[in-house]
Amino acid sequence: AQTVTQSQPEMSVQEAETVTLSCTYDTSESDYYLFWYKQPPSRQMILVIRQEAYKQQNATENRFSVNFQKAAKSFSLKISDSQLGDAAMYFCAYRPNTGNQFYFGTGTSLTVIP
Amino acid sequence: GAGVSQSPSNKVTEKGKDVELRCDPISGHTALYWYRQSLGQGLEFLIYFQGNSAPDKSGLPSDRFSAERTGGSVSTLTIQRTQQEDSAVYLCASSSYRATDTQYFGPGTRLTVL
Repeated sequence: AQTVTQSQPEMSVQEAETVTLSCTYDTSESDYYLFWYKQPPSRQMILVIRQEAYKQQNATENRFSVNFQKAAKSFSLKISDSQLGDAAMYFCAYRPNTGNQFYFGTGTSLTVIP
Repeated sequence: GAGVSQSPSNKVTEKGKDVELRCDPISGHTALYWYRQSLGQGLEFLIYFQGNSAPDKSGLPSDRFSAERTGGSVSTLTIQRTQQEDSAVYLCASSSYRATDTQYFGPGTRLTVL
């Protein structure tokens, strides 16, 4: 079975500080994609960052970076210099290279404290 | 418009009624997904369309749920004889043929069944 687990239902961070959101997944596939999505109160899911499993280098997008540990099946998101606008639900997602389905975790609600 | 649009934004209906939810994908995107997001949960895959291929309906929870995609563009998700447990946000996403790993989401339809 392919599952995605986010073990932190809620997290908080002080503005300008760094926070790391955890995600683990279970798969027998060797080639796949991993994603972090942000969902603010507007409900619009926004792609934050993506990682291709065959690439060993961790993806980065400005203040967002990931720590991808393929052997451990771990894919954490680090947000640096947190801003008030980062407050949202964050979802980790997995998609095998073969097949159509995306598998999502249950989300982590991030609060940014001014 | 440039993004995925969904209508209505909110829908309140009575138990036992049928509802139709609409999704307009990004122009030129061949893949279209429907997801259900229940309160406090991640996204649950419902159905996937890719071009003219037969849709992947493996996520539809019951035969009360159906979806169609006309002309390879607009999609309608129909829920017949709605039940209270159908209350959720229904999200649509689309992706291009050359980048099927990256989805773009609409703002969702919040369905409330009384």
